[in-house]
Amino acid sequence: DIVMTQSPDSLAVSLGERATINCKSSQSLLFDSNNKNYLAWYQQKSGQPPKLLIYWASARESGVPDRFSGSGSGTDFTLTISSLQAEDVAVYSCQQHYTTPWTFGQGTKVEIK
Amino acid sequence: QITLKESGPTLVKPTQTLTLTCTFSGFSLSPSDGGVGWIRQPPGKALEWLALIYWDDDRRLNPSLKSRLTITKDTSKNQVALTLTNMGLVDTGTYYCVHRPITWAVFDFWGQGALVTVSS
Repeated sequence: DIVMTQSPDSLAVSLGERATINCKSSQSLLFDSNNKNYLAWYQQKSGQPPKLLIYWASARESGVPDRFSGSGSGTDFTLTISSLQAEDVAVYSCQQHYTTPWTFGQGTKVEIK
Repeated sequence: QITLKESGPTLVKPTQTLTLTCTFSGFSLSPSDGGVGWIRQPPGKALEWLALIYWDDDRRLNPSLKSRLTITKDTSKNQVALTLTNMGLVDTGTYYCVHRPITWAVFDFWGQGALVTVSS
């Protein structure tokens, strides 16, 4: 199985400041034939199911604010919230959609400082 | 608008079998659609993908649980069922029904989740 490891486990950021979450996979998620990285990000607010934010490492799902961006390639990826809003308080998880079993990171909790 | 809703018991005893049903709307399991699956989350822990079924009955199961898992569909009722045998305390958690689009293996729609507790 591909192991997904996120860092940090939690972070506190001031409103309007940048939040950065890292995700590392145990093997490359880059598919050579289309040069796409099969990595997704989800946001899970308290008491709610996860919400898909980003797929293919950097493609934003419809309706997701542009302050959320994804980057990275191969085994190292980043989710950036450019200007943290109060409604962004949540747990963020990465998921590899490269091969089964599809696996998730342990989650990173984002709070307001 | 795609919606999914889980139903089933909230409490099961150790060694019992869990059966959850997902009733969905806004799409049909067809060649032009993706699949319906299950993901679970123990309290305070990471998400774990369990199983997925496609329109043609093609199934994908997490190898770590494959011997205990069954996924089936009833296309006429727009339902997908998950069965997990020999439940243990570690199986306690919220079980989500999810939709996977045809294009890539992400989960773009989720049910609200069903909390299942294993306790004697």
